[in-house]
Amino acid sequence: AQRVTQPEKLLSVFKGAPVELKCNYSYSGSPELFWYVQYSRQRLQLLLRHISRESIKGFTADLNKGETSFHLKKPFAQEEDSAMYYCALGTTTGNQFYFGTGTSLTVIP
Amino acid sequence: DAGITQSPRHKVTETGTPVTLRCHQTENHRYMYWYRQDPGHGLRLIHYSYGVKDTDKGEVSDGYSVSRSKTEDFLLTLESATSSQTSVYFCATQPGTDTQYFGPGTRLTVL
Repeated sequence: AQRVTQPEKLLSVFKGAPVELKCNYSYSGSPELFWYVQYSRQRLQLLLRHISRESIKGFTADLNKGETSFHLKKPFAQEEDSAMYYCALGTTTGNQFYFGTGTSLTVIP
Repeated sequence: DAGITQSPRHKVTETGTPVTLRCHQTENHRYMYWYRQDPGHGLRLIHYSYGVKDTDKGEVSDGYSVSRSKTEDFLLTLESATSSQTSVYFCATQPGTDTQYFGPGTRLTVL
């Protein structure tokens, strides 16, 4: 069965420190992985998709099929990065997305 | 934002009353979804649609029904609201196999 696990509900880091938000997935097919960000009381926005291999707002994420992981990283956290982050798995059939439970990131000034 | 709006944005209702939430999109995306967002559970899929009059159940569909009579509108109905349905509801659309785009959310409180 498809599943996305985000082991950290809450994560606090100091401004300027590196940050890593963990995401592991379970899927027997070829996965499509995404990171979404939700700032306070706003709609979810796409942050990254693995297929594009881009860096957005200093964040990067690499798909590791061997470890079934798609961790989100940023070398120097900023206060404006404080938000809820969701990892999502898209499947090649059914057009359904499976979301993790989210990680609330707080960057301490 | 893919031109997605939700109405109402906030609603307070009483247990046992019917409630309908509306999602409207202007992008002609084929797929539409209803999620609920709850602390500790993240986003959970309620129902989704893959075309006009074509809908299917998601993970937490009990107590909810949907309808899609036009490409641009996807309605979520709580036939008889319960306190456990107090949540934030998000609509999303998807053009094909690409990413999903989200609406602003509807905060529903059932007293």
